[in-house]
This record gives sequence, structure tokens and C-alpha cells, in this order.
Amino acid sequence: GNSVTQMEGPVTLSEEAFLTINCTYTATGYPSLFWYVQYPGEGLQLLLKATKADDKGSNKGFEATYRKETTSFHLEKGSVQVSDSAVYFCALSSGGSYIPTFGRGTSLIVHP
Amino acid sequence: DAGVIQSPRHEVTEMGQEVTLRCKPISGHDYLFWYRQTMMRGLELLIYFNNNVPIDDSGMPEDRFSAKMPNASFSTLKIQPSEPRDSAVYFCASSFSGTGHNQPQHFGDGTRLSIL
Repeated sequence: GNSVTQMEGPVTLSEEAFLTINCTYTATGYPSLFWYVQYPGEGLQLLLKATKADDKGSNKGFEATYRKETTSFHLEKGSVQVSDSAVYFCALSSGGSYIPTFGRGTSLIVHP
Repeated sequence: DAGVIQSPRHEVTEMGQEVTLRCKPISGHDYLFWYRQTMMRGLELLIYFNNNVPIDDSGMPEDRFSAKMPNASFSTLKIQPSEPRDSAVYFCASSFSGTGHNQPQHFGDGTRLSIL
């Protein structure tokens, strides 16, 4: 079956630091990969996605590259802000299913 | 465009009472999902519908939980009778099947449920 593994949180950084949140997956076929972000008191919202190998998704300064050889989709940002403090979820959909598989989420705390 | 709309945003009620959560999906979306989120268990899929038909309710924790989708623009999740362990944030999400499994889900802002 499909599965997504994310690094445990919380990740605590100072403002302007470099961010990496690791995500690896197991899936049948050729999945689409997603990162969602959940701000306090809100629902999850799509941050970025990639639908085939070597694609790079990007949004709001965040990037993630679909690496089929390492089955990874790590999230990166060069310089985080306090406003990036949130929970980040890695997810995938595959095999003709419209039902995504989510990781457990990684909490990011950015200090001024 | 309006997103997924959930009501109420907060619900506090006493154990044993019936609770009804409501969701209006994005117009044109053919999938609707109900999730529960807690610190202990994370995000759990409870049930999902396709074209208003329930497809998989294996995530519904007990018979006390039921969900309906009478039309394409409305769904309810009901808990009767409610128990303190049902306290959680309940999310509704919708998606469009479109060209394949590359379509993301769109989440509402959730209902924070507290059962005393």
C-alpha cells in the first residue's frame, strides 16, 4: 500500500534560516506528490505539487523536487519567516485513486 | 471563488447530545471527504463520497457516527450520542477528479468539537 514518512517535529528555526523537511514515500505506480500547509486554526491548504519524476513544485519561496530514484519529496526554503510557522503535511495520490495518503505532519516554529 | 464552507466553527456540548456538522463543498467538485484531527491520532479519513454516493466509510469509528450527502452542495456528519473522546477538529474537504490523481484536496477551516 501507499505510505508517506515525514521527519518528526517540531522543527525550530530562527528567522532567515534555511529549512528542510524530509519526506519519503512508498507507492504503487507513479504517484502525484503534494505539500500542504496548515496554519493555526485553519484547514490544510495546498502549498505545492509535482506530478512526475524530476518535476519541481514551488510556491511562496518553498520548493520540492520529485525524486523517483530516492522516493523523496523534501520541502525546502532558503530563508524562513515567522509567518511560516505552521504544520506541513506531505501527501501522495496514485494508482487511479483520488484518495490521498498523508504523512503525520511536521510542525515548524520560527523565532524572530 | 468560495472555498469549502463548514459550520459551525466551534461546538461545545454535553456528553450524550446529538451533534451535526455541516459542509458545503466547492461547486463542481465530485469528491467529498470527512476527516478528524487530534494530537494523538493525527489526521484520519472517516468517510468519502463520490457524486454524492458514500464509497468508503471504513474510517468511521463507531455506529454512533453517520454521514450523508443528499445533494452535490451539502453534506452532514452526525454523532449520536456524543462522547468526550469524540472531541477533535473535524474537517471537510472536496476535490475534482479532473484529469487524474494530480488534483489536490481543498479543505474547510474545520469544526472544533468539544464534548464535556
